[in-house]
Amino acid sequence: AQKITQTQPGMFVQEKEAVTLDCTYDTSDQSYGLFWYKQPSSGEMIFLIYQGSYDEQNATEGRYSLNFQKARKSANLVISASQLGDSAMYFCAMSLSLQSGGSYIPTFGRGTSLIVHP
Amino acid sequence: DTGVSQDPRHKITKRGQNVTFRCDPISEHNRLYWYRQTLGQGPEFLTYFQNEAQLEKSRLLSDRFSAERPKGSFSTLEIQRTEQGDSAMYLCASSFGQGAATNEKLFFGSGTQLSVL
Repeated sequence: AQKITQTQPGMFVQEKEAVTLDCTYDTSDQSYGLFWYKQPSSGEMIFLIYQGSYDEQNATEGRYSLNFQKARKSANLVISASQLGDSAMYFCAMSLSLQSGGSYIPTFGRGTSLIVHP
Repeated sequence: DTGVSQDPRHKITKRGQNVTFRCDPISEHNRLYWYRQTLGQGPEFLTYFQNEAQLEKSRLLSDRFSAERPKGSFSTLEIQRTEQGDSAMYLCASSFGQGAATNEKLFFGSGTQLSVL
């Protein structure tokens, strides 16, 4: 079953504008973590931001913020003041315990391709 | 360079051949993950090590796949009798963690791109 859903295959944004990338997730666990990673054309996945399921405040990391709405099971990434170097694939991920008491393993969505126009 | 390194970057093989990939994690990281990524998809979990112990393995992982991390440092992923469906990017990631935690961020290598002809 699909645990992480990213419904936007591609997004376009003007340089210096803000953009929101959508992510919804599905779990009955109470304890989980939500992540966003960036994958440029070089292929290396880069960690951007983390939100814990018990965190009451939305996470922020520089120009990145995570709009966490627990009741709606959404964890959207907001990138403010887009830069040309932000053009990349963006993946939402959720860390879940695959078995009771086991390790938390990140599960990834299909990704959203972001293109920043000058 | 102190990041995660993977070797080779690209591998072309004929169907039925065996291939082996290597991953060197960040030196102080005790946890190591293998993922597979096909075009247009996100990374799919394959297996996970803590030190030298293989603690998790995807139920989707064929018996043709085997991974090792013999001394708790580098890891190898071997695919036996390759099939065209094995063509993908194989990503390795590492982290440092103790106990079960939701907030461990992964550090990824650039991957090994496998093409099976």
